[in-house]
Amino acid sequence: DIQMTQSPSSLSASVGDRVTITCRASQSINSYLNWYQQKPGKAPKVLIYAASSLQTGVPSRFSGSGSGTDFTLTISTLQPEDFATYYCQQSYSTPKTFGQGTKVEIK
Amino acid sequence: QVQLQESGPGLVKPSETLSLTCTVSGGAVSSESYYWTWIRQPPGKGLEWIGEIYHSGSTNYNPSLKSRVSMSEDTSKNQFSLKLSSLTAADTAVYYCARVLLHCGGDCPLLDYWGQGTLVTVSP
Repeated sequence: DIQMTQSPSSLSASVGDRVTITCRASQSINSYLNWYQQKPGKAPKVLIYAASSLQTGVPSRFSGSGSGTDFTLTISTLQPEDFATYYCQQSYSTPKTFGQGTKVEIK
Repeated sequence: QVQLQESGPGLVKPSETLSLTCTVSGGAVSSESYYWTWIRQPPGKGLEWIGEIYHSGSTNYNPSLKSRVSMSEDTSKNQFSLKLSSLTAADTAVYYCARVLLHCGGDCPLLDYWGQGTLVTVSP
């Protein structure tokens, strides 16, 4: 199985901050990397697919980068509605594993 | 508008088999453009990929669950289903069904539509 490791596991930030979350794969996954946002009691929602492509309807303050084993999700200017948990997922091979999540909390 | 809705029991006894169904509207489970998948999330924990099924009936399962999992589809009802046997308390989780988009112009696939999730508790 490919292991996905996110860092940090949690962070505190203020509205307007720039936030960066990293995800590392245990082996190369090319650009088969997706990012999801999950709010309490809700299903996850895809933000970024294929490492850097913005899903339709997702604000442009979200961006993704990376390939191979190292990936980044950036929120350029944190908004109140962005406080949530973020997961990366590799879709390169089965089982299509998720990272453990990064919880973004209000500072 | 694509919608997915999970249905099944909220409480199951240990050692029994869980059966969940996902009903899809706004898209056909028989489409060649999608896989259909199950994901679960224990309370307060992260997401675990359970497996996926393609319209041909071919499946991929998480090796950690493979001996206990089976998935099927019913194209006449536009549904797909999950069975998980020999349940223990560790199987208590919110179970999500989701659509897997296969072609996106890049290194796909991605989970683009999800059900709302259904909480399954394993308890005597």
